[in-house]
Amino acid sequence: GENVEQHPSTLSVQEGDSAVIKCTYSDSASNYFPWYKQELGKGPQLIIDIRSNVGEKKDQRIAVTLNKTAKHFSLHITETQPEDSAVYFCAASINGYGQNFVFGPGTRLSVLP
Amino acid sequence: NAGVTQTPKFQVLKTGQSMTLQCAQDMNHNSMYWYRQDPGMGLRLIYYSASEGTTDKGEVPNGYNVSRLNKREFSLRLESAAPSQTSVYFCASTRAGGETQYFGPGTRLLVL
Repeated sequence: GENVEQHPSTLSVQEGDSAVIKCTYSDSASNYFPWYKQELGKGPQLIIDIRSNVGEKKDQRIAVTLNKTAKHFSLHITETQPEDSAVYFCAASINGYGQNFVFGPGTRLSVLP
Repeated sequence: NAGVTQTPKFQVLKTGQSMTLQCAQDMNHNSMYWYRQDPGMGLRLIYYSASEGTTDKGEVPNGYNVSRLNKREFSLRLESAAPSQTSVYFCASTRAGGETQYFGPGTRLLVL
């Protein structure tokens, strides 16, 4: 079955710097890769996603890149702000069906003022 | 809209006790899911319901049962709680054909 690894497990950056979180997946059939942000005491919330027919997607300060050949995808956050502090989860899925989402273990991002 | 709601927020059980975690969504979504979240392990799927009237096992179903009461509600039952079931439980839902999962705020369960 699918296995998703995520690195680093914790990341501290200065406010205004960039943050990069990387995930690798094992199943070449996976074609949908979302990123979720979980703030303290809340459930995860989708922030951006990418499909396998696209190499990069941007939404304001957030971008995701996908390398299908190497089976890895990354989340890039530029100009980090204190409100970006949270746990970020990547996931891989076949066709976006919820029942086959496999989540990474998470990255705790701390943005230091 | 309240989105996805879960009750209770926090619960302490003794080993062997039973309880039901409740989940409801008001977005008219077809599919609903139960996950558990443990440190360093991300979210793991316990059970899901692709549509009203159907339920299926996920990655870690042992020790749990579910009921899709109607389109809005999906409950998770622990018949005989064990310390290994200490975790944070999240319910989620998706619309028909949708990929985005909408999560509830979670239930923190401690089994002593």
